[in-house]
Amino acid sequence: DQQVKQNSPSLSVQEGRISILNCDYTNSMFDYFLWYKKYPAEGPTFLISISSIKDKNEDGRFTVFLNKSAKHLSLHIVPSQPGDSAVYFCAAKVLGSARQLTFGSGTQLTVLP
Amino acid sequence: KAGVTQTPRYLIKTRGQQVTLSCSPISGHRSVSWYQQTPGQGLQFLFEYFSETQRNKGNFPGRFSGRQFSNSRSEMNVSTLELGDSALYLCASSLVEGVNNEQFFGPGTRLTVL
Repeated sequence: DQQVKQNSPSLSVQEGRISILNCDYTNSMFDYFLWYKKYPAEGPTFLISISSIKDKNEDGRFTVFLNKSAKHLSLHIVPSQPGDSAVYFCAAKVLGSARQLTFGSGTQLTVLP
Repeated sequence: KAGVTQTPRYLIKTRGQQVTLSCSPISGHRSVSWYQQTPGQGLQFLFEYFSETQRNKGNFPGRFSGRQFSNSRSEMNVSTLELGDSALYLCASSLVEGVNNEQFFGPGTRLTVL
């Protein structure tokens, strides 16, 4: 039973356009959400996070939106750059719990020059 | 500051053998978590250690075990290896347990079971 789902295994976007990566979750106890980026042969790197008390968090070209009623979050990258090509993982946790993160299966983003 | 290091980077074993993977966290980080990454499954949480104690455990069989040393370095062990244990094993360290500090991941150990 996957509690965090990324239904699109891959996404291709033209350089300069917007990339939108989606993530759905089923566990209503989750109240903190994160996005990680992973290049081949490297570990995941933290990108951006959002607490359930917010519906939007922005950091430069990256914005995460949270829709609690729909149990859905999305990562927007504007403008997309070829260096953004990587696997993006959505993760969720329960505040106050231990380190455990529940990850989605990842979306391979390819930004075409 | 050095990042999270994992050794070895690659490992090939046969079914039935056991394996030990090592993780050195970032200096000053006391929490270490282990994850298994397989194609299509994302990262699955194995366990977390803090102050040499296992704090949380994922849904994996008892063949998977770990420990943490007084210097925060951690090892995980898989006994009686199965083909399905082939995966990338990632270690992540963070500063303080229970606080939403960022987890920093190592590059992983790629385990292949033949």
